[in-house]
Amino acid sequence: EVQLVESGGGLVQPGGSLRLSCAASGFTFSNYWMSWVRQAPGKGLEWVANINQGGSEEYYVDSVKGRFTISRDNAKNSLYLQMNSLRAEDTAVYYCAKTTAYWGQGTLVTVSS
Amino acid sequence: EIGMTQSPATLSVSPGERATLSCRASQSVSSSLVWYQQKPGQAPRLLISGASTRASGVPARFSGSGSGTEFTLTISSLQSEDFAVYYCQQYNNWPWTFGQGTKVEIK
Repeated sequence: EVQLVESGGGLVQPGGSLRLSCAASGFTFSNYWMSWVRQAPGKGLEWVANINQGGSEEYYVDSVKGRFTISRDNAKNSLYLQMNSLRAEDTAVYYCAKTTAYWGQGTLVTVSS
Repeated sequence: EIGMTQSPATLSVSPGERATLSCRASQSVSSSLVWYQQKPGQAPRLLISGASTRASGVPARFSGSGSGTEFTLTISSLQSEDFAVYYCQQYNNWPWTFGQGTKVEIK
């Protein structure tokens, strides 16, 4: 059974940093593109970033480009999202996803002073 | 960026009735479209990929159709567990983009 478990969310001040982690199990992690998707409270969905199997290709939505970095450690079956220069508008539940097919339950990031 | 527009925003349907949800892309996305179902407090669940292929475990009452710019999700006979928000999403061009969602509520 595919499982994706996010961690690392919390309250952070504007301009601060946070690193999200996602522990994957139930599939051969190194064979798949992985993604981060977010959903602001009461709002719709926004695809944030993708990374290829080996970590050599990364894609970001414009709103996070230059501030967020997606990465992975295939030896640890883990996906990461380093978030810097956080803004109030980054407040959301962040989901780890095996591209479109499977999603974790999400971790809440709140950016507020 | 490809814009995705869903209609209607809210659909009021009685249990047992048919529901038809629409999704329009601002440019062709071929068949690179998925549909998700999201219930309150839960992550989205994949229903349909490739515009028309049901995901594993999805009941046959859910069907998807369309290609290019016009897509439809049909729920043939609504069950109580189907009342939720439905999103379409294209994965043909980066950035992958979502529609704003259609809320299916009990009439």
